[in-house]
Amino acid sequence: EADIYQTPRYLVIGTGKKITLECSQTMGHDKMYWYQQDPGMELHLIHYSYGVNSTEKGDLSSESTVSRIRTEHFPLTLESARPSHTSQYLCASSDHTAGGPGNEQFFGPGTRLTVL
Amino acid sequence: AQSVSQHNHHVILSEAASLELGCNYSYGGTVNLFWYVQYPGQHLQLLLKYFSGDPLVKGIKGFEAEFIKSKFSFNLRKPSVQWSDTAEYFCAVNARTGRRALTFGSGTRLQVQP
Repeated sequence: EADIYQTPRYLVIGTGKKITLECSQTMGHDKMYWYQQDPGMELHLIHYSYGVNSTEKGDLSSESTVSRIRTEHFPLTLESARPSHTSQYLCASSDHTAGGPGNEQFFGPGTRLTVL
Repeated sequence: AQSVSQHNHHVILSEAASLELGCNYSYGGTVNLFWYVQYPGQHLQLLLKYFSGDPLVKGIKGFEAEFIKSKFSFNLRKPSVQWSDTAEYFCAVNARTGRRALTFGSGTRLQVQP
């Protein structure tokens, strides 16, 4: 079944550690996105990708980095985690159809990150 | 840049009451409009969407929304809510061109009391 997966679902880690949040989709979508969501707040775009080897920063400044080596995989990395990175991170994907139903974004379950 | 405003942060209703959640957006170009819902412990999922055509769109679970271009609004409605509608509701927009990333409102937490 086509879906979008994120691991881990929950992560508690100490300050200074390097972490990678995984996101994979089996829908064959070109576009992928990372959003950050603090409790009770809106989602903010932090990274997006049009396709393989294409990544861009989003609206909200983030110290994280992303890569897109394969269409289905869009991992997010924090080189040195800090308490200010504590948040929920949501991955999404959509296809490339201009202006049509393909603009619908499908979301993963999210990773809730806590940095102590 | 786009922005989205959701006026109701927390709504408490009794079962069978009618629901209307407000959403206004600002953007100079043509947009697509969405309502997403997040049930407790679940993924964000699409409730309904508007791209073009009839401004009254129907979604899943009896929800509908009306796009009023002159008011830059896309309010969500349901005539009779159920306890199972308890969730967080997000209005979102994206531009028809470019990166097409979503801009979200701050969300409305709906609590339906049995």
